[in-house]
Amino acid sequence: GQNIDQPTEMTATEGAIVQINCTYQTSGFNGLFWYQQHAGEAPTFLSYNVLDGLEEKGRFSSFLSRSKGYSYLLLKELQMKDSASYLCAVKDSNYQLIWGAGTKLIIKP
Amino acid sequence: DTAVSQTPKYLVTQMGNDKSIKCEQNLGHDTMYWYKQDSKKFLKIMFSYNNKELIINETVPNRFSPKSPDKAHLNLHINSLELGDSAVYFCASSQAVTGANVLTFGAGSRLTVL
Repeated sequence: GQNIDQPTEMTATEGAIVQINCTYQTSGFNGLFWYQQHAGEAPTFLSYNVLDGLEEKGRFSSFLSRSKGYSYLLLKELQMKDSASYLCAVKDSNYQLIWGAGTKLIIKP
Repeated sequence: DTAVSQTPKYLVTQMGNDKSIKCEQNLGHDTMYWYKQDSKKFLKIMFSYNNKELIINETVPNRFSPKSPDKAHLNLHINSLELGDSAVYFCASSQAVTGANVLTFGAGSRLTVL
């Protein structure tokens, strides 16, 4: 079967750095996405990786290693508004998105 | 101007009733989706339409019937509602299915079946 694994919950301090990991086992690979979802709201797009390496976008960076089936989302200079769930999703060989259950990130002052 | 709008936002109903959720997108996207997000927060694809044609139909009960009158609209009708149907239903759209096509989600419709 296809599987996306992420930690259920993480806690970090305002101003710090946090890394959210995602490992995947899918039938084929056509890109990996990270979405942010605040409580009670819709998911919103953060980043997309299809080649190995690091993609940086402001305070957020996403890394991909296709050989290891692994990605992480790095959030720097954490702000209280970063408290949300972070969803990892992989497009399989049929271009279907397989979603992880998300990592709930709690930011403490 | 909301990009993907779905109504109603909240829906509370009794078991056995029939209900509909409507979705409209003004992004000019070709592909629309219905997702179900349960209490464990997994997003599960239910249906996907590309230019009014059904392209993804996951294993959902046939009590769920999508309808796409045009590529800007994708509605979801649910017959004979059951307790297990309680969830948040998200409509989404994207330019296509392949490539780095980002999904734009609606705000969600929280369905509670009593």
